[in-house]
Amino acid sequence: QKEVEQDPGPLSVPEGAIVSLNCTYSNSAFQYFMWYRQYSRKGPELLMYTYSSGNKEDGRFTAQVDKSSKYISLFIRDSQPSDSATYLCAMNGAGSYQLTFGKGTKLSVIP
Amino acid sequence: EAGVVQSPRYKIIEKKQPVAFWCNPISGHNTLYWYRQNLGQGPELLIRYENEEAVDDSQLPKDRFSAERLKGVDSTLKIQPAELGDSAVYLCASSVALAGPYNEQFFGPGTRLTVL
Repeated sequence: QKEVEQDPGPLSVPEGAIVSLNCTYSNSAFQYFMWYRQYSRKGPELLMYTYSSGNKEDGRFTAQVDKSSKYISLFIRDSQPSDSATYLCAMNGAGSYQLTFGKGTKLSVIP
Repeated sequence: EAGVVQSPRYKIIEKKQPVAFWCNPISGHNTLYWYRQNLGQGPELLIRYENEEAVDDSQLPKDRFSAERLKGVDSTLKIQPAELGDSAVYLCASSVALAGPYNEQFFGPGTRLTVL
């Protein structure tokens, strides 16, 4: 079993839909949880990060972490065609440089 | 502010040939990372530098891969000889030194390597 599991999709939704992306993990030492967005032929860019359990909102994006279940989510409201990309979850322990990534979920938002 | 710069963007070589990738990190970023991203997978760390020093190279296949970061700025990753399984995107990232509990890594666009 990999440390971080993420459904690779692909996921296709109509414009305006609410998108839910998820990852599960097994390492209890993980404390920082990140979502990266990667457009085709580009490098990943940080979208959001969350420390420990809880919610964090930034515009149309909400990140949730449930450490008791070892489960993290990213919600995208009012999805736009420009949101079409691969979304990678990543996580690491406190004071650690070692990021562990999920496989990424490929999202397509259809106009 | 310029981001992480990588070159070349694409490289096609035949197996057993050597290949090198170059990375220029964001100015002022002491920490530099090389990742490999296979098709349909997340990035996996190959090596991390703190200034000129390789402080984590446990995932680097040392029989054929080498890296250097002269003067603590630019870095080069080399493969010699390349194998078919080395086909992947090679990503460079950089960050400031870990001053607090979290550090953000900034990624370059990557070099897409195809080994025939």
